[in-house]
Amino acid sequence: AQKVTQAQTEISVVEKEDVTLDCVYETRDTTYYLFWYKQPPSGELVFLIRRNSFDEQNEISGRYSWNFQKSTSSFNFTITASQVVDSAVYFCALSEATGGYNKLIFGAGTRLAVHP
Amino acid sequence: GAVVSQHPSRVICKSGTSVKIECRSLDFQATTMFWYRQFPKKSLMLMATSNEGSKATYEQGVEKDKFLINHASLTLSTLTVTSAHPEDSSFYICSASPGNGADTQYFGPGTRLTVL
Repeated sequence: AQKVTQAQTEISVVEKEDVTLDCVYETRDTTYYLFWYKQPPSGELVFLIRRNSFDEQNEISGRYSWNFQKSTSSFNFTITASQVVDSAVYFCALSEATGGYNKLIFGAGTRLAVHP
Repeated sequence: GAVVSQHPSRVICKSGTSVKIECRSLDFQATTMFWYRQFPKKSLMLMATSNEGSKATYEQGVEKDKFLINHASLTLSTLTVTSAHPEDSSFYICSASPGNGADTQYFGPGTRLTVL
């Protein structure tokens, strides 16, 4: 079974729409970290957020917000009032205590296209 | 802060030649560096983890004699693709982490390798 599942392969929205990118993870560890990265067409991965397993507080950063729910093993990412510049592939990732947190386990990514 | 550079950004080489890719952490010391490979429209695949001054740890299925990794200093890691073949053509991305444990990985801009 996949450890990090991003079920949405591609999402297409019109500018100013809100969009939520889903991420479901699987781990047996009680301590772990979750990440979101953005990969624009240029290719570079841009770090967006890191959340540890003991902090379930939702976080908001400008138009970005994250909803972490341990009960459903989900760490969803919402972009409010999307813009064309948000078009990118977004990856959710997990690092676990097993293995010393040394590895990032990536989901397959969700390609977001925001149209004018 | 947390800037990682990669050089070159693109390289085209003939089959049988070797190619060296450099990864540098510009504003922090990287205890650990990681090398990933990404196929078109796919997620990132971890190839190896390297710690400064010690041998790299390769993921299963990655040929260590084919992909030589050197992490000679706290700010520089190199990946050498030896005797490259067309199937080695890919997007190679490095990341660097400031310390052990659950530190965030910061990614370089990637290197697109094309082997003719």
